[in-house]
Amino acid sequence: AQSVTQLGSHVSVSEGALVLLRCNYSSSVPPYLFWYVQYPNQGLQLLLKYTTGATLVKGINGFEAEFKKSETSFHLTKPSAHMSDAAEYFCAVSDTPRNAGGTSYGKLTFGQGTILTVHP
Amino acid sequence: GAVVSQHPSWVICKSGTSVKIECRSLDFQATTMFWYRQFPKQSLMLMATSNEGSKATYEQGVEKDKFLINHASLTLSTLTVTSAHPEDSSFYICTCTGTNTGELFFGEGSRLTVL
Repeated sequence: AQSVTQLGSHVSVSEGALVLLRCNYSSSVPPYLFWYVQYPNQGLQLLLKYTTGATLVKGINGFEAEFKKSETSFHLTKPSAHMSDAAEYFCAVSDTPRNAGGTSYGKLTFGQGTILTVHP
Repeated sequence: GAVVSQHPSWVICKSGTSVKIECRSLDFQATTMFWYRQFPKQSLMLMATSNEGSKATYEQGVEKDKFLINHASLTLSTLTVTSAHPEDSSFYICTCTGTNTGELFFGEGSRLTVL
């Protein structure tokens, strides 16, 4: 079974400051890892994902995350926060391996979410 | 643009009524659809997995007779909340995956409020 722990339910940073959102996971199989962002009353938008290959993954809006197997972590960072980054962020792990037809991600286990506040 | 559409976005209903939420994949065939529920200030919890043409698989603790899922075609899945009660008020989100896309796509979510 998979699980995801996001350290810190609320993170507050100043505009222009480094953003660091922490995520640790547990998985019995090589994981697929994801970061999603959710704005109020909206669905989820994929920021980035790790499947295989390069452990440093770059996503949209200047975000990136590094898969560290030894630490079972997948922390999300952004060098300089913008006001528009204020939202809730979810880390997730997929427990579905590749299907017969190719790569397919299955059901996700989400972390508890981290609300990012950016102040001027 | 959105590749997965959910309808309705918002619904308010009286206790005891049934509500149907649709999830459509717009430009790909969704062989598998997942339904999640998100209570206020909480994370998303998987409710069920549905594959086209077969019965849905429900997660532990989710009542299959209360949350009816139909995945009759490769582009449409529906979630019906039967005899809704205030505790069913939540944000319901579908996600779709297809063998050709290899990706997961999220619907915009449906906010259900039961009075």
